[in-house]
Amino acid sequence: GAGVSQSPRYKVAKRGQDVALRCDPISGHVSLFWYQQALGQGPEFLTYFQNEAQLDKSGLPSDRFFAERPEGSVSTLKIQRTQQEDSAVYLCASSLVLGSKAYTFGSGTRLTVV
Amino acid sequence: QQQVKQSPQSLIVQKGGISIINCAYENTAFDYFPWYQQFPGKGPALLIAIRPDVSEKKEGRFTISFNKSAKQFSLHIMDSQPGDSATYFCAAQGLTGGGNKLTFGTGTQLKVEL
Repeated sequence: GAGVSQSPRYKVAKRGQDVALRCDPISGHVSLFWYQQALGQGPEFLTYFQNEAQLDKSGLPSDRFFAERPEGSVSTLKIQRTQQEDSAVYLCASSLVLGSKAYTFGSGTRLTVV
Repeated sequence: QQQVKQSPQSLIVQKGGISIINCAYENTAFDYFPWYQQFPGKGPALLIAIRPDVSEKKEGRFTISFNKSAKQFSLHIMDSQPGDSATYFCAAQGLTGGGNKLTFGTGTQLKVEL
């Protein structure tokens, strides 16, 4: 596709529910990143994939957060037993080549935990 | 630990005026300093970026000034237009692990008035 596509755009979850957020990067992009953006704040790094390999997950806030990219293209961020503090916009970004500093971000998924 | 500090939090500028946003970083391993523009409901979009071996970079109405010894950099928007009204984030990247993950500032909400 022309850009990074994320779905759903909005998700309301009841506390304790599991959610899955999807990212379709630009075709052929090697690197894929997930960021969390709380209201009124800058995005914060969660995790990074190079093709299917998850090379850095140091930003994942707890073991309730899990990300995968099994075939090196589409990625899913899963949050188990959601808590109110998980409410945020989850952004996905991709870049074409290894080492590139130029990202393209998706529009994000706004997660609200009630 | 906030590695990139950004100010001001919000800024109101008259049409045709100059908008100035400032950032400071701590980690000397950073080697790339991009600015991102974000409109409501959208992901951040790369605006302009600079490497630390250059003191200034200009692209159209946007200029980055970089002071390596002070570990500070700023964005100047000349002839500000209402369409520039958005949230601006400074960021820093470096090969500190995570494949060029971005460390963002907290954002500046710019409003350009007629």
